Order: sequence, then C-alpha cells, then structure tokens
Amino acid sequence: EAQVTQNPRYLITVTGKKLTVTCSQNMNHEYMSWYRQDPGLGLRQIYYSMNVEVTDKGDVPEGYKVSRKEKRNFPLILESPSPNQTSLYFCASSVLGGEQFFGPGTRLTVL
Amino acid sequence: AQSVAQPEDQVNVAEGNPLTVKCTYSVSGNPYLFWYVQYPNRGLQFLLKYITGDNLVKGSYGFEAEFNKSQTSFHLKKPSALVSDSALYFCAAAFYNQGGKLIFGQGTELSVKP
Repeated sequence: EAQVTQNPRYLITVTGKKLTVTCSQNMNHEYMSWYRQDPGLGLRQIYYSMNVEVTDKGDVPEGYKVSRKEKRNFPLILESPSPNQTSLYFCASSVLGGEQFFGPGTRLTVL
Repeated sequence: AQSVAQPEDQVNVAEGNPLTVKCTYSVSGNPYLFWYVQYPNRGLQFLLKYITGDNLVKGSYGFEAEFNKSQTSFHLKKPSALVSDSALYFCAAAFYNQGGKLIFGQGTELSVKP
C-alpha cells in the first residue's frame, strides 16, 4: 500500500530534550516536506527536499533540522524543543509538481 | 511576498445548495494550485489541482475549482453540498520553478447542515 508513515504519532516531552520525528514514504517520490498545523494559521511549511541531499527552508524553519540521506526518509529533528513548538506536524511526499501525499500526523506537546 | 489567502474562516451551507470556498493568491510567476480537505482527526487528502490548461478543473467527490488569472483566484465549488462534505479545506500554491516552496492558506471550515 502506498503510504507516508510518521513516528511517533503522539509525543509529550520537556523543554530542551532533543527529539526526532521520523517520516518514510514507499512511493519513490522525489519531493518530501514537513508542515506544522496550528489553529488559525493553517499549514506552514518547515523544510522541504526536492531530492536526496537537497533540502531547503520553508516559511518556519527556526528550531528545526532535517536531513535527506535516503530518498524514502526525511526525519525532522528538534535539537532543543520549546513550548512554542507544540503543534500538529505532518510529513508529505510527492512527485515534482504533483499532489502531496500526507502522513497521519504527529501531535507534539513540549512542556 | 508570496501568499495564499482564504478570506473566510467558516462557510455555512444547507445540504443540496451549491457551495463555494474562496482562495486568492499573491505570487509572481505561475504557481501550481491545489485544494486539500481535512476531515476531523485525519490527515489531508488531495481534491484537485491546476497547472495549465482549462480554467475549470474537476476533482474528487464532485468538487471543481475555477482558476481566474486576472483575479488571482482559485475558488472551490460544488453544485450540491452534502453533510459529509463538512470538513476543513485548504488551498495551496506550489512554486516548483522557484525552488519547490509550497504555501497553504489558513483553511476554511465548511459546515453543511441538513
């Protein structure tokens, strides 16, 4: 089944404790992206990648890191999480120019 | 700056009536335009997209969207709303010829009452 998977689905952590949210797709898509969804603000792009070893900043990259060492994986790293990073996070993938396939979301709470 | 706007936070429609969810964009160049839907506690699902060609685009679940270059709009429409259409709708613009950035609107909550 074609899908984008994210782990964990739910995470409660404390300020400053490094965490990684994994994202994997099995559709051989070139394009992968991370978004955060906050009420009233819609989805905002954090980082995106148009291919292996190619990443670029979206609109809200501060406090986040990504890497794209393999085509299928695009982990999101929070080196020192803060409460303002409490949000619902979505990973997505697509062929270039195509519609995004979204993962199920990761609800992160930073205390 | 590039932006996508959905001017209505909420749209209320009676079942069976036509619905319109508005989207305008402010960009340079020719973006790819998309509509996505998010049902409660679910991820986002693709509805339709416009790249080039016919200004009226048909998509999933009976939805369509009209691209208007002069008004820089991409409104989502459906001739006859269903209660099951109630969800959060997002318009998005992608700029693959400018690096691949993708911008979403704020979202519009559609409520269809019986």
